[in-house]
Amino acid sequence: GQSLEQPSEVTAVEGAIVQINCTYQTSGFYGLSWYQQHDGGAPTFLSYNALDGLEETGRFSSFLSRSDSYGYLLLQELQMKDSASYFCAVRAYSSASKIIFGSGTRLSIRP
Amino acid sequence: DTGVSQDPRHKITKRGQNVTFRCDPISEHNRLYWYRQTLGQGPEFLTYFQNEAQLEKSRLLSDRFSAERPKGSFSTLEIQRTEQGDSAMYLCASSSQGIPSTDTQYFGPGTRLTVL
Repeated sequence: GQSLEQPSEVTAVEGAIVQINCTYQTSGFYGLSWYQQHDGGAPTFLSYNALDGLEETGRFSSFLSRSDSYGYLLLQELQMKDSASYFCAVRAYSSASKIIFGSGTRLSIRP
Repeated sequence: DTGVSQDPRHKITKRGQNVTFRCDPISEHNRLYWYRQTLGQGPEFLTYFQNEAQLEKSRLLSDRFSAERPKGSFSTLEIQRTEQGDSAMYLCASSSQGIPSTDTQYFGPGTRLTVL
């Protein structure tokens, strides 16, 4: 089976940098994705790591290490609008059509 | 591109009643997904359509749940004999042609179901 573990809550200061970790147990997957979801809103795609290493998209970067069963999302120059829940997710080899989400990390930004 | 839309946005029903939700995907997308999300959890996969064919169903989808996509465009999710445990946000997502392992899914705003 597959499971993804994330911290339930993280608090950071506006303008700072924060890292949200994701550790997983899965028998095999195509890549690690990250989604953002504001309260009452829909999940929106942020980034995808098919291979080990760092992917950068503006203020957001995502990292994957398959050997360590570990990934993270790095948010820089935090803004108040970044307050949201962040989910890591995988597509398993056994079923590429569905996304398996972690339980999510609620990020709160303080002024 | 108007995005994925879902109707209704909120539904309150009494236990035992049937409910039906509708999802309109992005027009050129041939893949459609349903997920269920409870408070403080990530979305859980329910079912997947490619065009009008339902290709995968989760074991979470009991016999009381049925989904259709009759013409390969909009989809409906029906829950029969609702139970309080069915209370959740029901999310629809769509994606376009491409390798299923890498395509980006676009989510709708969801239908929040409350079963009293």
